[in-house]
Amino acid sequence: NAGVTQTPKFRILKIGQSMTLQCTQDMNHNYMYWYRQDPGMGLKLIYYSVGAGITDKGEVPNGYNVSRSTTEDFPLRLELAAPSQTSVYFCASSYMLGREKLFFGSGTQLSVL
Amino acid sequence: DAKTTQPNSMESNEEEPVHLPCNHSTISGTDYIHWYRQLPSQGPEYVIHGLTSNVNNRMASLAIAEDRKSSTLILHRATLRDAAVYYCILFMDSNYQLIWGAGTKLIIKP
Repeated sequence: NAGVTQTPKFRILKIGQSMTLQCTQDMNHNYMYWYRQDPGMGLKLIYYSVGAGITDKGEVPNGYNVSRSTTEDFPLRLELAAPSQTSVYFCASSYMLGREKLFFGSGTQLSVL
Repeated sequence: DAKTTQPNSMESNEEEPVHLPCNHSTISGTDYIHWYRQLPSQGPEYVIHGLTSNVNNRMASLAIAEDRKSSTLILHRATLRDAAVYYCILFMDSNYQLIWGAGTKLIIKP
């Protein structure tokens, strides 16, 4: 099993550009999450999904959008990139919330200049 | 939101046990206690989790206080590869606002 796969690993954007961070998992997990991590800080939840077609906002959703058309994929869309979105982005998945562990991808390092 | 408190950093000698504390005084009855660790430039990695009873796995042990307001992650014999930031997190079935603190940076001295 590949687990949770994120692409790309690195990206540099100019202010105002848009991009999509891809995330796919092959474990048939219902729950998927997008986090961002700023230097020296813990993770902050951006959006989460409890199943295909169902998404909701986390702690820091402004400037981002998500969709979940399949169980496997959970892309994160950045519209009108801003320097404040410079961060490392992690996608994660789990079979259940709380009772089961999270599986994380290897992250995407994004710089907005 | 459930919160956890951890020391910013800890040091330990290689091949000695390590006890990483976590306070979670606002824990609710259905909150699971999870521990993850993060090596530099990597995504977080699951270590262990539990609800009420102490838990053991191949990586570590989790000791949960009787009142559940604190817990301790125990690495029985630290190696240099255990040097990482360790996060203690509370997960509740109905709470999707998963709050991660800054964690404890564990330094292993050879």
